[in-house]
Formats: sequence, structure tokens, C-alpha cells
Amino acid sequence: AQSVTQLGSHVSVSEGALVLLRCNYSSSVPPYLFWYVQYPNQGLQLLLKYTTGATLVKGINGFEAEFKKSETSFHLTKPSAHMSDAAEYFCAVSNSGGGADGLTFGKGTHLIIQP
Amino acid sequence: DAGVIQSPRHEVTEMGQEVTLRCKPISGHDYLFWYRQTMMRGLELLIYFNNNVPIDDSGMPEDRFSAKMPNASFSTLKIQPSEPRDSAVYFCASSLGSRRGNQPQHFGDGTRLSIL
Repeated sequence: AQSVTQLGSHVSVSEGALVLLRCNYSSSVPPYLFWYVQYPNQGLQLLLKYTTGATLVKGINGFEAEFKKSETSFHLTKPSAHMSDAAEYFCAVSNSGGGADGLTFGKGTHLIIQP
Repeated sequence: DAGVIQSPRHEVTEMGQEVTLRCKPISGHDYLFWYRQTMMRGLELLIYFNNNVPIDDSGMPEDRFSAKMPNASFSTLKIQPSEPRDSAVYFCASSLGSRRGNQPQHFGDGTRLSIL
């Protein structure tokens, strides 16, 4: 069975500061990993994904994440936070590329940006 | 291109009533997923289809829930009878399967369901 743990249900950073959202996973097979963002009253939008190959993955809106197999982690970072980054962020794991089976999500991290 | 379209966006009904949620996937996508989001349990996979056939319905909470996909462009999730604990946001997502490579799931904006 797969699982995802997101440390910190709420993370607050100042505008311009580094954003770090933590995600650890458990999977019995090589995982496919995703970060999604959810704005209020909207669906989930894909930020980035790791399937195979390069372990540092770049996504939209300046976000990136690094897959570390030894640490079973896939933390999300952004060098400089912007007010528009305030949203709910979800880490997810899949057995496939994510297209052919369901995703297992973490509980989410609410990112707060302080002016 | 149009994304995943869900209707209605909001539904408020009384306990015991039948509720039907609708989803139109992205054209050409062969996988369709239904998820439920609650504060207590987060995002949970309920069921998913491949080429209109249900593949895994192990996430469906109980027999009051049923889902169908009569054709490639339409799916329904039905709750009968509804109960207050069914109140949640229900999301539909679609994707191209693994035969097309590692394609992500695309989500609709969800249906916010309130059972009084």
C-alpha cells in the first residue's frame, strides 16, 4: 500500500522568502510523484511530476522538487515566495505515471504568505 | 481545449434524497476518476474507469454510492439515499492512460455537496 505524509498542515512564510513544503512517501514499487496546487473553490492543478530520469524536477510558477530515494522524500521548493502562491498544496504518489491508476494524496499543506 | 467539466458546482439537499453528480472528461482521455475531499479524510479515490469500464471501486464507501460511465464523454456519481456525512467536495479527473506515456490527471472544479 502507498501513503504520503506532508509535514505541517500550515506553513507561513514572508513574501520573498524561501518556500519549503515537505513530503515523504511510502511505496512498495518505484513511485511516480506529483505536486498539485488548489486555489479556493477550484480543482487541483498539476505543479510538477517525477516519473523517471532526472531527480530534480522543475514545474510551473517557479516551483521545483527533488526526488530523494534514500530519504523517501519529494519536497517542494520555491526560492522567493509571491503573494499569489497562497494556496493548498498536495503531494501525491502513484504506481504508474498517474494516468492509469488512482493517486494517493497527502493531507495537504496550506501555504500562507505574509506581506 | 475545454477542461474537465463538472455539474452542478454546488448542491444542497435534504437527507434521504437522491443526488446525482455529473462529469464530462477531456475529449480523448480514456481514464476517468472520482475523488472525494473532506476536512477529516482529505482527498480519497472513490472509483476509476478505463474505456468506460470500472476498474477499481474499492474506494466507494458503501452501497448507497454508485457510478456509471455510459460513454466516453459522460460519467455520473449517484448517492441514494444521501446522508449528512456525505457532505464533501467531489472531484472528477481524467487522463490519457499509460500507453500514452506518463500523463497526469486533469481535475474539474468539483461539486460542493451539502446534505442537510
